[in-house]
Amino acid sequence: GNSVTQMEGPVTLSEEAFLTINCTYTATGYPSLFWYVQYPGEGLQLLLKATKADDKGSNKGFEATYRKETTSFHLEKGSVQVSDSAVYFCALRRTGGFKTIFGAGTRLFVKA
Amino acid sequence: SQTIHQWPATLVQPVGSPLSLECTVEGTSNPNLYWYRQAAGRGLQLLFYSVGIGQISSEVPQNLSASRPQDRQFILSSKKLLLSDSGFYLCAWSADTGTTYEQYFGPGTRLTVT
Repeated sequence: GNSVTQMEGPVTLSEEAFLTINCTYTATGYPSLFWYVQYPGEGLQLLLKATKADDKGSNKGFEATYRKETTSFHLEKGSVQVSDSAVYFCALRRTGGFKTIFGAGTRLFVKA
Repeated sequence: SQTIHQWPATLVQPVGSPLSLECTVEGTSNPNLYWYRQAAGRGLQLLFYSVGIGQISSEVPQNLSASRPQDRQFILSSKKLLLSDSGFYLCAWSADTGTTYEQYFGPGTRLTVT
């Protein structure tokens, strides 16, 4: 079946450090891939998305590339800020499906 | 533009009491609607989803139920709450058509069962 695996957290970084959060998936066909972010006490927000192989999604300095050969969608940011502290969820949705499959989430702490 | 509302924002209820959480979406028609629960420090658990009025799919057998009385209204209910029902409840919607299928989440309801 369809599934998403992301690296366990928490991830603790200093401000301006480079961020990578790994995400791999298992799915039939060609799903759409997403990263969502959840700030404390809030709902999830779409951070970026990619709908086909080799697409790069980007937003707010974050980026992720849809790699079909490695079934991965790793999240990266070149220089994190304290305000990036949040929980990040990798997710997929199969074309034509109704459900989104979420990873377990990775908590990021950024220290000043 | 589309907006999604949830209420109440917080709720403290005793064990055995009933529950009703409401979610409404504005600015779109015939959305797919979803209820998720998030336990403290945990991931998302899909509880119910709906692709149309009166159509409810349940993902997890439990003492919760959902209803969709109107196109853009989704209600989560329980007749008798359990301690294990405590958590952060999130409503979400996605477009019925299109290729990207991203979900849009409400602000959530934090439920504490005492």
